[in-house]
Amino acid sequence: QQQVKQSPQSLIVQKGGISIINCAYENTAFDYFPWYQQFPGKGPALLIAIRPDVSEKKEGRFTISFNKSAKQFSLHIMDSQPGDSATYFCAASGNNDMRFGAGTRLTVKP
Amino acid sequence: DVKVTQSSRYLVKRTGEKVFLECVQDMDHENMFWYRQDPGLGLRLIYFSYDVKMKEKGDIPEGYSVSREKKERFSLILESASTNQTSMYLCASSHQTGLETQYFGPGTRLLVL
Repeated sequence: QQQVKQSPQSLIVQKGGISIINCAYENTAFDYFPWYQQFPGKGPALLIAIRPDVSEKKEGRFTISFNKSAKQFSLHIMDSQPGDSATYFCAASGNNDMRFGAGTRLTVKP
Repeated sequence: DVKVTQSSRYLVKRTGEKVFLECVQDMDHENMFWYRQDPGLGLRLIYFSYDVKMKEKGDIPEGYSVSREKKERFSLILESASTNQTSMYLCASSHQTGLETQYFGPGTRLLVL
């Protein structure tokens, strides 16, 4: 069963544009929502994370928006750069369980 | 700088062979994990361990076993490799306080012929 649904599967954005990746979860026990970034040939690395007591968290060009009532959260990459081209995974954890989304392959064209 | 290393980046094995994948972390983390990564399926948990000699099944443990004899080392074993186990295998570790931030190794790409 897929407890965290992520979309789109792939995304192509022009340099300077906004990249948006969406995730939805089912388990209301989840209380921590990280995003991981994975470059080719590397393991995923934590990019940014949010807890449900806030609706938004921003770190540089990366922002997580969180909607607790809808059980949805999203990653926004402002001013997308070719160096942001990677696979992005959302995740949800809580109650000793962590679930990952299927991943989004982002390509930022110069 | 935190570090999780995996014994091989690429591995080619034949059907029926016994395969060992090793993972070492230098962060003194209590929790260690093995995932497999397949296109369109994301990361699926095979096994995890929260202490030495302790192990718990994840979502897809069939065909795999694990060993954790030392805190820093977590091994994944394919008892009899099959072609459907061709995949990218990722090891991760995290501190005892939660499953929150997991630190991943670079992965082992396994091809079973």
